[in-house]
Amino acid sequence: AQTVTQSQPEMSVQEAETVTLSCTYDTSESNYYLFWYKQPPSRQMILVIRQEAYKQQNATENRFSVNFQKAAKSFSLKISDSQLGDTAMYFCAFMKHRGNTPLVFGKGTRLSVIA
Amino acid sequence: EPEVTQTPSHQVTQMGQEVILHCVPISNHLYFYWYRQILGQKVEFLVSFYNNEISEKSEIFDDQFSVERPDGSNFTLKIRSTKLEDSAMYFCASRTTGGQDTQYFGPGTRLTVL
Repeated sequence: AQTVTQSQPEMSVQEAETVTLSCTYDTSESNYYLFWYKQPPSRQMILVIRQEAYKQQNATENRFSVNFQKAAKSFSLKISDSQLGDTAMYFCAFMKHRGNTPLVFGKGTRLSVIA
Repeated sequence: EPEVTQTPSHQVTQMGQEVILHCVPISNHLYFYWYRQILGQKVEFLVSFYNNEISEKSEIFDDQFSVERPDGSNFTLKIRSTKLEDSAMYFCASRTTGGQDTQYFGPGTRLTVL
C-alpha cells in the first residue's frame, strides 16, 4: 500500500518570502503521479501542481515549483514570493499510473503567511 | 471553465436517517470518486466509479454506503443509516481518461449528524 508523509503539521512564512513544504512517500510502483492540493478555509480542494514520475524535470506553475527526488521518494513544494492568499492547508497526494485509482493523501501542512 | 458541483453545501440530519449527497462531475469526465474529510484530518478515499460500476472501494465504504449514476450527469452517494461518526466533509471528484490524470474536486458537502 502507498503512504504519504508530511512531517510539518504547521509552518509560517513572512509575506514575499519563500517557503518549502516537505512530502515523502512510499511505493513499489515505478510509474505514478504526485500532486499538491491547497485547501483554504472554504475547504475547497484546489490543485496547485502535478508531477509525473517518469519526467525528470521538476514541475513549475508560476510561483509554485516542486523538487522531485524519485530515488529518495521525496516531493517538496516551494512557494516563492508568498502572498496572504497562500494561507491554507496543503496536501501532498500520490496516485498510481493505471486505471481508475484513487488519490492517497498526506495529513497536510497548515501554512500561514504573515504580513 | 468547467467545474464539479455538489449539492447541498451543508446537510444536517438525525442519526439513523438516510442522506443522499449529489454531485455533477465535469461533463466529459468518465472516472468519478468520493472522498471524505473528518474535521482536522486528512482526506480519505471512499469509492471510485467507472462505466456504471464501482472500480475500487475502501474499508470505510461499508454496506451503509452506496453510489449511483442515475442519469448522464449526476453521481450520488447514499448513506443509509447515518452515524455520528459520518459527520465530515464529503468531496466528489472526477477526471477524464487518456493521459489526463488530474482529479478535479467539487466544493464539498458538509454533513452533520446529530
